[in-house]
Amino acid sequence: AQSVTQLDSHVSVSEGTPVLLRCNYSSSYSPSLFWYVQHPNKGLQLLLKYTSAATLVKGINGFEAEFKKSETSFHLTKPSAHMSDAAEYFCATNKAAGNKLTFGGGTRVLVKP
Amino acid sequence: DGGITQSPKYLFRKEGQNVTLSCEQNLNHDAMYWYRQDPGQGLRLIYYSQIVNDFQKGDIAEGYSVSREKKESFPLTVTSAQKNPTAFYLCASSQPQRTGADYEQYFGPGTRLTVT
Repeated sequence: AQSVTQLDSHVSVSEGTPVLLRCNYSSSYSPSLFWYVQHPNKGLQLLLKYTSAATLVKGINGFEAEFKKSETSFHLTKPSAHMSDAAEYFCATNKAAGNKLTFGGGTRVLVKP
Repeated sequence: DGGITQSPKYLFRKEGQNVTLSCEQNLNHDAMYWYRQDPGQGLRLIYYSQIVNDFQKGDIAEGYSVSREKKESFPLTVTSAQKNPTAFYLCASSQPQRTGADYEQYFGPGTRLTVT
């Protein structure tokens, strides 16, 4: 069965410093992987997705993620955090049929001025 | 302006009452989904529908029911059988590709249900 694990439930960074959100997946086949962002009391917005093309994926708002098969990881990074990046971030992978997504537990990002 | 709408944003009910959450999309997507989100947890799939007049149970379907009579609408009913209905409910939709490539889901703004 496909699953994802987000290794940090909370991450705190200072504005202007790099952000790293960690996600590991388990899958019996090459998965599709997604990162979503959720601001308080809002729906989820897609940041980026990996679908077996380039292993380095660029997304919106300056985020990018690298698919590393050898490490079964898909970590999300941003070189310089902005106050507006304070939100919860979810890593997700697809299940085999019906494009059902399995979500990680989420990482809440706090950005300090 | 395309997207997914969920109404109402906040909903309050007494225990023992059924309540229906609305989800409408004008993206012309075939597939629609309902998720439940609890504090500090990821999203869990309640029901999904890949086409009109068809739907399947997700991981936590007990105490919930759905219908898919129209392509654009996928209402969720939280029944009195649901033991812990208080949660944030998110609706999503997606469109399968002919190539079989994976396709992202688009989410509505959510409905926060409180049952007392």
